[in-house]
Amino acid sequence: AQTVTQSQPEMSVQEAETVTLSCTYDTSENNYYLFWYKQPPSRQMILVIRQEAYKQQNATENRFSVNFQKAAKSFSLKISDSQLGDTAMYFCAFMKQGKVGSQGNLIFGKGTKLSVKP
Amino acid sequence: DTEVTQTPKHLVMGMTNKKSLKCEQHMGHRAMYWYKQKAKKPPELMFVYSYEKLSINESVPSRFSPECPNSSLLNLHLHALQPEDSALYLCASSQVAGQIPYEQYFGPGTRLTVT
Repeated sequence: AQTVTQSQPEMSVQEAETVTLSCTYDTSENNYYLFWYKQPPSRQMILVIRQEAYKQQNATENRFSVNFQKAAKSFSLKISDSQLGDTAMYFCAFMKQGKVGSQGNLIFGKGTKLSVKP
Repeated sequence: DTEVTQTPKHLVMGMTNKKSLKCEQHMGHRAMYWYKQKAKKPPELMFVYSYEKLSINESVPSRFSPECPNSSLLNLHLHALQPEDSALYLCASSQVAGQIPYEQYFGPGTRLTVT
């Protein structure tokens, strides 16, 4: 069975600074995908960034980037130039490659509540 | 249009009531999902539909009954719920192609309270 661990229940960062959220996972699968989702207070969950396990290059999306260490089973999220709108619960998630024509189970970590302070 | 809509936004029901939650997407996605989310917890998968067929049921009690009438609609029928079923119910959708897990687009959720 796969597990996802986020060891930081809460974090805070000053506006314009950089923060890193940690995530580790456990799996025996070789083909899988990792995601960071963001859930702002009382708002919809949206995808922040996605990483395919077979890709060595770390994914980046504007101010968001990941440090993917496959051997260590680590997938941390770095947020640069933090903005007030980044305040949210951040979930790390894992999905193994599924059967053709179907989607599998997205396994979430417990989340990290990030507060960006002015 | 990258929107998943859910109705109603809030629902209060008694333990003997029958109600339904509705989810709709017009992105051409052929996979749709129901999740249950308790406060300050991650979403827990309940059901997955692929091509309008139930592909995953995470051992959900029969008082929750999903239905996928067509590729754009997903319903969750509720009957004889318990107070512990009070939660945010999230719907999501995604593409289905080959074996690749695609991004899931989430709706805003229905806040359910069982009294």
